[in-house]
Amino acid sequence: GIQVEQSPPDLILQEGANSTLRCNFSDSVNNLQWFHQNPWGQLINLFYIPSGTKQNGRLSATTVATERYSLLYISSSQTTDSGVYFCAVASKETSGSRLTFGEGTQLTVNP
Amino acid sequence: GAGVSQSPRYKVAKRGQDVALRCDPISGHVSLFWYQQALGQGPEFLTYFQNEAQLDKSGLPSDRFFAERPEGSVSTLKIQRTQQEDSAVYLCASSRIPGTGGTEAFFGQGTRLTVV
Repeated sequence: GIQVEQSPPDLILQEGANSTLRCNFSDSVNNLQWFHQNPWGQLINLFYIPSGTKQNGRLSATTVATERYSLLYISSSQTTDSGVYFCAVASKETSGSRLTFGEGTQLTVNP
Repeated sequence: GAGVSQSPRYKVAKRGQDVALRCDPISGHVSLFWYQQALGQGPEFLTYFQNEAQLDKSGLPSDRFFAERPEGSVSTLKIQRTQQEDSAVYLCASSRIPGTGGTEAFFGQGTRLTVV
């Protein structure tokens, strides 16, 4: 099945810093989503972005489908940005029924 | 409803007990998915429903796991004779159209199951 790799696995920032999270995937996709999992376990939708670029406030994302990677940018980070960020994809060939998740990036923003 | 709702939020079961976890998807969503998330890992697919039809159950780890969605809306994940390795967060998701391609999936808050 499709493989998803996220980097870095852990990231520690000072409040106000910028960061870039990366998601590499091994096959063509027709779905790519970025999620933020808060301390209570809820997966919050950040972006649905199988291709192209989107922005939402301090967050933006870019997916280069032909090169099989996606980037999530966080600018002017805040302590509330802390948590785990997941990338999840559905393979164009075998999608049908599932999203495949990466292992996540654990982000800690210190005041 | 406004979002995907799961209940209970927390469940403690003694080893060998049966449990039932409920998922109420977003109203009108055709697709419903169950995922299992072990501590420190990403969610892993369990099963998929399109309306009331269970089209993919290849992720269910054993025949002790059973899911249903009889009227194409609310779904129940049942685990029989729970074991310690079943301890995890169980996440439900729904999406507007069939499958995962070309559509955004929305997740519930999850049910944290602890088997003691």
